[in-house]
Amino acid sequence: DVKVTQSSRYLVKRTGEKVFLECVQDMDHENMFWYRQDPGLGLRLIYFSYDVKMKEKGDIPEGYSVSREKKERFSLILESASTNQTSMYLCASSTSWGLNTGELFFGEGSRLTVL
Amino acid sequence: AQSVTQPDIHITVSEGASLELRCNYSYGATPYLFWYVQSPGQGLQLLLKYFSGDTLVQGIKGFEAEFKRSQSSFNLRKPSVHWSDAAEYFCAVGLTDSWGKFQFGAGTQVVVTP
Repeated sequence: DVKVTQSSRYLVKRTGEKVFLECVQDMDHENMFWYRQDPGLGLRLIYFSYDVKMKEKGDIPEGYSVSREKKERFSLILESASTNQTSMYLCASSTSWGLNTGELFFGEGSRLTVL
Repeated sequence: AQSVTQPDIHITVSEGASLELRCNYSYGATPYLFWYVQSPGQGLQLLLKYFSGDTLVQGIKGFEAEFKRSQSSFNLRKPSVHWSDAAEYFCAVGLTDSWGKFQFGAGTQVVVTP
């Protein structure tokens, strides 16, 4: 069974703290994504990686960075957490379009609260 | 720029009744189209997808969707709703001129009443 695993389901952090959200996929997918989900706004892309060490900014990259040192792992980093980063964070992976499917497989999400 | 519109933020439907969720998109290239479902506290699960061919596609859990190019729509339907269908539903467009990115709609929350 395909699996995308996010390391933490719930986190509570203080303003100014550095936050790491980890994501691992076991499907050998090329692409990995970090989305932010807020009520009424749907899913907004923060960062996208199409290969190891390769990354591309999404729609809302400000205040975030990412790291992809291994194909199966994609980390989201909040260098200095702020209260407006309180949200649900979803990791996903997919094959590239040329490989027939390209659908996204999602983790269960990490709900971050910044106090 | 590309966009995905789900006009209904919230829908209430009786168990056993039919359900239709609307999705309209704006995208210059040929789209790949998807519907995902999110149960409370969970990630998103793929219901169905359209790449090419037959414009009526069948998915899991008894859902189907019809692609209408002339209307730039990809509406989701189910003939008879079950209480377990209460969830949030997201329409998404695969951006085929990118590396594999997607544009999501804002979602439609479905409530099922007895």
